[in-house]
Amino acid sequence: QVVLTQSPSASASLGASVKLTCTLSSGHSSYAIAWHQQQPEKGPRFLMKVNTDGSHIKGDGTPDRFSGSSSGAERYLIISSLQSEDEADYYCQTWGPGVHWVFGGGTKLTVL
Amino acid sequence: QVQLVESGGGVVQPRRSLRLSCAASEFTFSTYAMHWVRQAPGKGLEWVAVISYDGSEKYYADSVKGRFTISRDNSKNAVYLQMSSLRAEDTAIYYCARDPTVAGTELYFDYWGQGTLVTVSS
Repeated sequence: QVVLTQSPSASASLGASVKLTCTLSSGHSSYAIAWHQQQPEKGPRFLMKVNTDGSHIKGDGTPDRFSGSSSGAERYLIISSLQSEDEADYYCQTWGPGVHWVFGGGTKLTVL
Repeated sequence: QVQLVESGGGVVQPRRSLRLSCAASEFTFSTYAMHWVRQAPGKGLEWVAVISYDGSEKYYADSVKGRFTISRDNSKNAVYLQMSSLRAEDTAIYYCARDPTVAGTELYFDYWGQGTLVTVSS
């Protein structure tokens, strides 16, 4: 069954860039994933879907500062020109037989 | 602007029941599959259930199978989650979310509500 692994935390300075990673479990490196942002005390918000080839489909209103890429079993969310409102939890998501829809454990991003 | 508004949460005793509602607006509700997702306090997201656009197909996470029932009323633009035999571990914020497809065949959810808190405690 597919499992998504994320680092629990990340940090970067205001105005800088950061790359968050979501790793697919062994045997599932061909899976696409999606990224969601959850700001404090809010519901999640869909950011984008990232395909195996690194192409991505963004959600309505996702800023251009957010982009996605892919390498092997890793899927990335890159945020450039970090702003204070980017401080949030970021979750990756995919679908797999047996588990249906599954999420990674989330990465808490701190903007310094 | 797509809107999803959950309601019905509260404090409920173990082994009792509760029904959550999600009111949808600003899109053609009857042409989308819908999901429920929950988040225990301080924890990550857990998918709970999905229902197809016409209610003909439903799937559940193993953790709630046999206890929770998802349903929808397209005439009211609403999706529901009937929760029975509640346990302490069901304590969570419950979100409804829209699937971009009619049958729930996409890997992601494109819109989410703000959630409603369910606390199972004696």
